[in-house]
Amino acid sequence: NAGVTQTPKFRVLKTGQSMTLLCAQDMNHEYMYWYRQDPGMGLRLIHYSVGEGTTAKGEVPDGYNVSRLKKQNFLLGLESAAPSQTSVYFCASGAGVSYEQYFGPGTRLTVT
Amino acid sequence: GQQLNQSPQSMFIQEGEDVSMNCTSSSIFNTWLWYKQDPGEGPVLLIALYKAGELTSNGRLTAQFGITRKDSFLNISASIPSDVGIYFCAGISGGYQKVTFGTGTKLQVIP
Repeated sequence: NAGVTQTPKFRVLKTGQSMTLLCAQDMNHEYMYWYRQDPGMGLRLIHYSVGEGTTAKGEVPDGYNVSRLKKQNFLLGLESAAPSQTSVYFCASGAGVSYEQYFGPGTRLTVT
Repeated sequence: GQQLNQSPQSMFIQEGEDVSMNCTSSSIFNTWLWYKQDPGEGPVLLIALYKAGELTSNGRLTAQFGITRKDSFLNISASIPSDVGIYFCAGISGGYQKVTFGTGTKLQVIP
């Protein structure tokens, strides 16, 4: 039982490049989330999903897209990376509304 | 948007001392969560609180859901070196998209 896993752990991109971050969970959770964490700002919600095939915008969705083709996977895409997207990205999953969320280990992304 | 004010921002304590930190908001929350984050890792859930006034313990950790539903407190008793890390509170106000995180309390324990 691995919980929530994220790949890759680290990545460096040049401005304008694209990439996809993968999140996988083995807890059969319906809800999955993508957050970014910046110094002094806590965690901010980018996008979330309440089930397979559904996605919705969070607090800071601009510049990101997501897909949830399988219940256990939640992908975060950056189509044209910008330096402002340098951050640590965390995926989380949860059983439902108002329930606790479980986090992955994070992906540290640097955009130069 | 909603904001959670977490205090203190950082603290240094001697091993064996008790620690208190809190989270306050101008908004009401239905659920309070406390997480700990170690360097280079994701936040790990410590305690979840679901009812106003609720007091819940997890080993040396005790957290309370404030009566007004606008605040929560976390206490750590008899601190040890492995308590070092950043502690985050999070409030949920009625939907999966309405999770608000505090900015964290950085705890350092001096052996």
